[in-house]
Amino acid sequence: EDKVVQSPLSLVVHEGDTVTLNCSYEVTNFRSLLWYKQEKKAPTFLFMLTSSGIEKKSGRLSSILDKKELFSILNITATQTGDSAIYLCAVHPGSGTYKYIFGTGTRLKVLA
Amino acid sequence: DAGVTQSPTHLIKTRGQQVTLRCSPISGHKSVSWYQQVLGQGPQFIFQYYEKEERGRGNFPDRFSARQFPNYSSELNVNALLLGDSALYLCASSFRDVGFSTNEKLFFGSGTQLSVL
Repeated sequence: EDKVVQSPLSLVVHEGDTVTLNCSYEVTNFRSLLWYKQEKKAPTFLFMLTSSGIEKKSGRLSSILDKKELFSILNITATQTGDSAIYLCAVHPGSGTYKYIFGTGTRLKVLA
Repeated sequence: DAGVTQSPTHLIKTRGQQVTLRCSPISGHKSVSWYQQVLGQGPQFIFQYYEKEERGRGNFPDRFSARQFPNYSSELNVNALLLGDSALYLCASSFRDVGFSTNEKLFFGSGTQLSVL
């Protein structure tokens, strides 16, 4: 059965710290992996990683994909209180599948 | 441009009732997907529609149904509500068919929080 596992489930850090969020997956025929930030209700898109794009960076956020070991990490440097949110990882299991499989998310709290 | 819009934002129903949730995709997007997010869990896939046709259905009972209209907006219907249907229902739009297009991103609305008493 296809599955996506995120760790840790929750994390509390202080402003300025660097955090690493993990996403491992087991899917039939990997196509892409998405990272989202969910602050209140709407998940907002952060990154898409695919076979042709295994590393992405935007400001203080960066992500890599390891297709051999079947995992991705999301790094946030110099964290700010505004980074407090649930971070969701989603994987598309391949052609002909109409869904993304989401992990349970990592709840990040950044203290001032 | 407006993002994905969902209505209502909150809804309280009692067991056995029926509910209809609505979603308008981003302008130009032809695909709508519905996800259920129970507190503390990640979103679970319910349906995907593309060009008004059901393209995929998740592991949900027949009490759940949906449709997509010619303007690409969509409705999710849930009949005979159970306590366990209490959740955040998220709608996501994408430009093309999630199943066959390469690397299609999902853009989410703010969801409808459904509480079943």
